[in-house]
Amino acid sequence: EPEVTQTPSHQVTQMGQEVILRCVPISNHLYFYWYRQILGQKVEFLVSFYNNEISEKSEIFDDQFSVERPDGSNFTLKIRSTKLEDSAMYFCASSRTSGRETQYFGPGTRLLVL
Amino acid sequence: AQSVAQPEDQVNVAEGNPLTVKCTYSVSGNPYLFWYVQYPNRGLQFLLKYITGDNLVKGSYGFEAEFNKSQTSFHLKKPSALVSDSALYFCAVGGVSGGYNKLIFGAGTRLAVHP
Repeated sequence: EPEVTQTPSHQVTQMGQEVILRCVPISNHLYFYWYRQILGQKVEFLVSFYNNEISEKSEIFDDQFSVERPDGSNFTLKIRSTKLEDSAMYFCASSRTSGRETQYFGPGTRLLVL
Repeated sequence: AQSVAQPEDQVNVAEGNPLTVKCTYSVSGNPYLFWYVQYPNRGLQFLLKYITGDNLVKGSYGFEAEFNKSQTSFHLKKPSALVSDSALYFCAVGGVSGGYNKLIFGAGTRLAVHP
């Protein structure tokens, strides 16, 4: 069964450094998403992406964040200058279409900012 | 503000007994409702969803959920719990006004099934 994959599984970085989190969505899916879960808190929506454009983003997704689909398979989340409060589990998800379609999640990348 | 509530942090059930994990929502529009499960060190796995039609939906691993529009609830149920059902369960709402593509999650309920 097709799965969403994410790399790396864990990343430790210093405050102020740039990080890129990578995801390979399910191959026939058209919508891509990033969510994050700060330890002990809810899973929060960050951004959705369709047709090489951001379709929705949350208040969390400020200028420090960007997303890209650099080729036909990868979907990346870049944090330009990490802060301590960016430490979280980041989940990538994909769906065939929007709205009522099921979003399938990857295993997550645990980011720790020191 | 649009929100999803899972009123119980933890639910304890004996193996073989029925289980219920509660979810209520407060959103505008006609939402779609989802349940996901998270096992340790794993991502969120889809269990089931309600879009329209029959209020009782069946999903993976013998789970089912009942949509109740008047009570704005979508409780997850299983007739006979297994130890292997022990995990973290998340209710989520999608298709809401002002955010059609995003899912709004509840805080999660930890289910512990005891032998």
